Amino acid sequence: SQTIHQWPATLVQPVGSPLSLECTVEGTSNPNLYWYRQAAGRGLQLLFYSVGIGQISSEVPQNLSASRPQDRQFILSSKKLLLSDSGFYLCAWSVGTVGSPLHFGNGTRLTVT
Amino acid sequence: AQTVTQSQPEMSVQEAETVTLSCTYDTSESDYYLFWYKQPPSRQMILVIRQEAYKQQNATENRFSVNFQKAAKSFSLKISDSQLGDAAMYFCALTRARQLTFGSGTQLTVLP
Repeated sequence: SQTIHQWPATLVQPVGSPLSLECTVEGTSNPNLYWYRQAAGRGLQLLFYSVGIGQISSEVPQNLSASRPQDRQFILSSKKLLLSDSGFYLCAWSVGTVGSPLHFGNGTRLTVT
Repeated sequence: AQTVTQSQPEMSVQEAETVTLSCTYDTSESDYYLFWYKQPPSRQMILVIRQEAYKQQNATENRFSVNFQKAAKSFSLKISDSQLGDAAMYFCALTRARQLTFGSGTQLTVLP
C-alpha cells in the first residue's frame, strides 16, 4: 500500500532563517506531488505541484521554492523565512489520472518568530 | 478560474441525527470531479467521498452521501446517524487538471 511521510511535524524558526520541509511517498511510481499551505481557520492554498522529477509548477509567487530531486521526494524550501510564512504545510500525492483524489501527509506546523 | 464556496463556517448536529453541509462551485469545464475531505483535530486530511461530474448518480460511502446538482453547481454532503467521531472541519474541493481547489471549510460539531 502507498504511504506518505512528511517531516518535521512541528518547527519553530526565527525570521530570516532557512527552511527545508521534506516529503516522501512509498508504494507508487511517478506520483503527482503537491505542497499546500493552510492558514489558521482557513482553507488550503496550493503552493506547488510536480508531475515528474525536476518539473515544478508554482501557483503563488512567494518566498518559497520547491524541488523534486527524486521521483518520490518533494522538498519545500526558503532561503529567508518571513513572519507571514507561518502556517500549516501539507504535502500530498495522487496518481497521474485526472480526477484522482489527493492523499495527504500529516502536515508540518511552522511558526516563524 | 475555478471557485468553491462553503457558506456555512460552522454547523452543529445532535449525535445520531442527520446534517447537510453545503457547497457551491463554479467552473468552465464540462468534465470535472468533486470531493469532500474531512480534517479532524489531528489536522490530517481524509478523503470522505468523490463524485464524477459526468455521473448523474450521487456517490455514497456508508453514512456519507452527496446531493450533486450539476446545473445548479451544487454539491452538498449529507451525514446520517452522526457520530462523535464525525466532528471535524469539512472541505469541499473541485479539480482543475491535476490540482484541487478547496473551499474555506465548515466546522462541524457533534453534540452528545
